[in-house]
Amino acid sequence: GQSLEQPSEVTAVEGAIVQINCTYQTSGFYGLSWYQQHDGGAPTFLSYNALDGLEETGRFSSFLSRSDSYGYLLLQELQMKDSASYFCAVSSYNTDKLIFGTGTRLQVFP
Amino acid sequence: DVKVTQSSRYLVKRTGEKVFLECVQDMDHENMFWYRQDPGLGLRLIYFSYDVKMKEKGDIPEGYSVSREKKERFSLILESASTNQTSMYLCASSSGLAGGGAKNIQYFGAGTRLSVL
Repeated sequence: GQSLEQPSEVTAVEGAIVQINCTYQTSGFYGLSWYQQHDGGAPTFLSYNALDGLEETGRFSSFLSRSDSYGYLLLQELQMKDSASYFCAVSSYNTDKLIFGTGTRLQVFP
Repeated sequence: DVKVTQSSRYLVKRTGEKVFLECVQDMDHENMFWYRQDPGLGLRLIYFSYDVKMKEKGDIPEGYSVSREKKERFSLILESASTNQTSMYLCASSSGLAGGGAKNIQYFGAGTRLSVL
């Protein structure tokens, strides 16, 4: 079967750095995506990794290790507006479906 | 900008009622999805449609059906609503098969919070 694991909650203070991990088990793995969802809002795409290594987009970076079936989302210079839920999602060959993790709720404190 | 519009933000229905949740996308996407979101369970796929009149069951299809008569519109139907279907329902769309290393971004609507009493 397919499964993803990520922590349920992470807390940090403004200006800090936080890492949200995601481990996955899936057949035909293609890539790992991250989505952000603010309370009451729609999930929105943040980043995507298909190859090993780090992808940087401003304050956010995402990392993938295919051999370890592991990835993480790194958020730097945290701001209050980063308080949200973050979901990792895996894509597989020959399907456009995504399998989502259960989400990590990030709370940023002043 | 891609826009995915769900017809209702909040909906209250009674047990046994037939419920229609509507979703429209304006980006000519081949794929459309219905998820339900419950605390601690993440996003669970109910149904997936990859073309007009084509559908595929997701992880939790029981108690639901779908209809895709036009490319831009994907409807979720609860034939006889039950209290355990009280949830947030999210619709999403994406373009066709993203092979070759391309990103397969899903675009979500704002959600419909359904309460079944």
